[in-house]
Amino acid sequence: AQKITQTQPGMFVQEKEAVTLDCTYDTSDQSYGLFWYKQPSSGEMIFLIYQGSYDEQNATEGRYSLNFQKARKSANLVISASQLGDSAMYFCAMSVGYSTLTFGKGTMLLVSP
Amino acid sequence: ETGVTQSPTHLIKTRGQQVTLRCSSQSGHNTVSWYQQALGQGPQFIFQYYREEENGRGNFPPRFSGLQFPNYSSELNVNALELDDSALYLCASSLWRTSLPYEQYFGPGTRLTVT
Repeated sequence: AQKITQTQPGMFVQEKEAVTLDCTYDTSDQSYGLFWYKQPSSGEMIFLIYQGSYDEQNATEGRYSLNFQKARKSANLVISASQLGDSAMYFCAMSVGYSTLTFGKGTMLLVSP
Repeated sequence: ETGVTQSPTHLIKTRGQQVTLRCSSQSGHNTVSWYQQALGQGPQFIFQYYREEENGRGNFPPRFSGLQFPNYSSELNVNALELDDSALYLCASSLWRTSLPYEQYFGPGTRLTVT
C-alpha cells in the first residue's frame, strides 16, 4: 500500500517570496510517480508537476519545482516568487505502476500582499 | 479540446435516499476514475472504469456503484445515503496506459450534502 504524508496543515508566505511544501511518501514499489495538484476554493484539482521515480533530475514547470530526494522518500514542492493567485490547497499524490492516485491530506497555502 | 465536466454542481439529499452523479470525460480519454473528498481531507479513490468495466476499487462499500458508457462518460451511484457521504465527488479522466506518468485530468466536482 502507498501512503503520502503532508505534515504542514497551513503555510503563510509573502508575495514574491519562495515557499516549500513538504511531502513524504511510502511505497515498496520501485516504479512510481509523484504528483502535485493545486485545488482552489472552486474545487477543481489542477495538475502542477510530475516526477518519476527513475528521473534523475528534479522536475520543473515554470515557477514550480519538485525537490525529489529518493533516499529520504521526500518530494517537496517549491514555489518561487509566490503570487496572490497561488493561495489554495496543495496536494501531493502518488501513482504506482499505472494505478490510480493516492493523495495526502493537503497543505493550505496563503499568500499575503 | 473539451475538458472534464460533471453534473450537477451541488446536490442536497436526505439520509437513505439514492443519488446519481455524472461525468463526461475529456475528449480522447477512455478511462474514468471517481474520488471522494471529505471536508479537510485529500481525495480518496472510489473506483475506476475502463472499457465499460470496473477496473479497480478503493475501500468503499457496494452501495457505491458506477457505470461507464460507450462514449466513455460515467455515472457514480450511491444507495442508502449516509451523513458521512457528504463530500466533494471528483471525476478524473485519462487515457489508459501501462506506464507512468499516469496523468489524470479532474473535473470541477459535485458537492453532495446529505441531511
